[in-house]
Amino acid sequence: EIVLTQSPGTLSLSPGERATLSCRASHSVSTTHLAWYQQRPGQAPRLLIYGVSSRAAGIPDRFSGSGSGTDFTLTISRLEPEDVAVYYCQQYGISAGLTLGGGTKVEI
Amino acid sequence: EIQLVQSGGGLVQPGGSLKLSCAASGFTFSSYTMHWVRQAPGRGPEYVSAVTGGGDFTFYGNTVKGRFTVSRDNSKNTLYLQMDSLRIEDTAVYYCAREFPVVTGATDYYDNWGQGTLVTVSS
Repeated sequence: EIVLTQSPGTLSLSPGERATLSCRASHSVSTTHLAWYQQRPGQAPRLLIYGVSSRAAGIPDRFSGSGSGTDFTLTISRLEPEDVAVYYCQQYGISAGLTLGGGTKVEI
Repeated sequence: EIQLVQSGGGLVQPGGSLKLSCAASGFTFSSYTMHWVRQAPGRGPEYVSAVTGGGDFTFYGNTVKGRFTVSRDNSKNTLYLQMDSLRIEDTAVYYCAREFPVVTGATDYYDNWGQGTLVTVSS
């Protein structure tokens, strides 16, 4: 069973700053099946990134994903107030069920 | 435009039952595996259940197996979750979600979510 560990738990930054969120897998995944979701307060999760680095429809290009093996990163290049949210990474295509990280809360 | 509109939910006593619905539009509903995911207050999302496009196969998380039943009516483009023997720990916001198919036989990523519906189990 793969365990995803996200860090930091909380990220406090100012508008316009760059946010770097980490997602580390307990062992190497030899595929690109890594997704990121954004969950704003009181809202449903929203798909941001799939396939490690592909942006979902309608997602601004300030969001980018990268990584391989066990280490993956979500970068928000210039924070905006509407980016306040909890961000989750997901490993998919491995088994039934849901493999999610514990989340990183972004505060502005 | 793809839409997943949820209904049902509410307050129920422990041991009671509730049925959630998720009405889909904007895509060929029968072509997609659909999921239920829940989120307890202050917690991350948790897998609940899934049903394949034709309704042939169903999957359940360990905490709900034997108590919850997932189904779908492709003629009505609607997904259901029948929840029986509810427990206090089932209190959560329940989301339906569409799975984008990547790997057969495994959970892939969710590209569309319902708005969520709150289920509160309390006496």
